[in-house]
Amino acid sequence: NAGVMQNPRHLVRRRGQEARLRCSPMKGHSHVYWYRQLPEEGLKFMVYLQKENIIDESGMPKERFSAEFPKEGPSILRIQQVVRGDSAAYFCASSRSGQEEAFFGQGTRLTVV
Amino acid sequence: AQKVTQAQTEISVVEKEDVTLDCVYETRDTTYYLFWYKQPPSGELVFLIRRNSFDEQNEISGRYSWNFQKSTSSFNFTITASQVVDSAVYFCALSEARNDYKLSFGAGTTVTVRA
Repeated sequence: NAGVMQNPRHLVRRRGQEARLRCSPMKGHSHVYWYRQLPEEGLKFMVYLQKENIIDESGMPKERFSAEFPKEGPSILRIQQVVRGDSAAYFCASSRSGQEEAFFGQGTRLTVV
Repeated sequence: AQKVTQAQTEISVVEKEDVTLDCVYETRDTTYYLFWYKQPPSGELVFLIRRNSFDEQNEISGRYSWNFQKSTSSFNFTITASQVVDSAVYFCALSEARNDYKLSFGAGTTVTVRA
């Protein structure tokens, strides 16, 4: 019973490139959440998705960031034209429903050089 | 707005000592959930506990125990007889019932257990 799988674990991008972070939820989970952890800080909520729907994107920066969770395949967090300030650990979590506890993946550590 | 404060940024102890991590929260909701997560040096987030606001009973799980006090808005975590493997960053988090999927995390407390 695999947990939440995120890939890649580490991603290096040059300023101006695009970063694509993938998250496969646990089996049977249709709710996905993305969080960002800046250095020396706690995690901050970014977005909540269900299959093919964005439920709450109140924590997403208005520009350059987007997220999707298609009917088939993993959830994708996409960051266009990355800047140094985007360097962070991005965690995905999944749950069976919005009311049950969420389980986190191992995170993707994005470094922008 | 909900808020979680972990005033201790770092704690260093010697093996077998007990260590208590403080967590103070703010919320206007009467129904909410409190969590503790562990982040070891490998970086993943490990779920430890979830409590709802109506359950003030303290909980013990092995060497871990939690003390929930609504009167002081605190949800403290104690590791008894600490071990080197307990070295990690520990996060307290809160979610409110109306958006219970959205966790607000504290800044974390780094625990270092020395042999």
